Amino acid sequence: KAGVTQTPRYLIKTRGQQVTLSCSPISGHRSVSWYQQTPGQGLQFLFEYFSETQRNKGNFPGRFSGRQFSNSRSEMNVSTLELGDSALYLCASSSDRGPYNEQFFGPGTRLTVL
Amino acid sequence: GNSVTQMEGPVTLSEEAFLTINCTYTATGYPSLFWYVQYPGEGLQLLLKATKADDKGSNKGFEATYRKETTSFHLEKGSVQVSDSAVYFCALRDSNYQLIWGAGTKLIIKP
Repeated sequence: KAGVTQTPRYLIKTRGQQVTLSCSPISGHRSVSWYQQTPGQGLQFLFEYFSETQRNKGNFPGRFSGRQFSNSRSEMNVSTLELGDSALYLCASSSDRGPYNEQFFGPGTRLTVL
Repeated sequence: GNSVTQMEGPVTLSEEAFLTINCTYTATGYPSLFWYVQYPGEGLQLLLKATKADDKGSNKGFEATYRKETTSFHLEKGSVQVSDSAVYFCALRDSNYQLIWGAGTKLIIKP
């Protein structure tokens, strides 16, 4: 079974631009969560999608948005990029939303904002 | 609110030493607890988990016991190897199914 894939793996943008990151979950998984990882703030939850609906959202500004398609693939978008958005963005999928379900992580997309 | 506190790193040990990485949590209800590991240049991998009090999670020689009375989930390994060098994250999953993370502890094992 293929793991969680994220594209692109690396991205360089400039301030003010927007970016779209993609995540393909493990086949059959319906829940996709996104996290931001930075040296200063550590791992922070962005949002979770389940069956194309956003179920949970972390404490991030509205510039961060996402969506999930009918095949469970998910995208996250960041508009009007700021230097502080430079981070590793991790996507995780799980088969369901239960509290015991393991989340499987992709390798991440490294975003650098110049 | 819910939170996870881990011991600060880096933790540097010699090969075959005993490892303990402390993790304590604050949460309402009965969260599930997890240890994840991140090897250099890679994403996160689940190392072990425990879903209720007194449960012991174990994998690859690592163990952690869910202690509700001390709100702790300390990670231990009896004999570490160079290949265990990585960053270890303690996390809890709250009633909203959201993962709350500790800051991570970098482990360096010297041969």
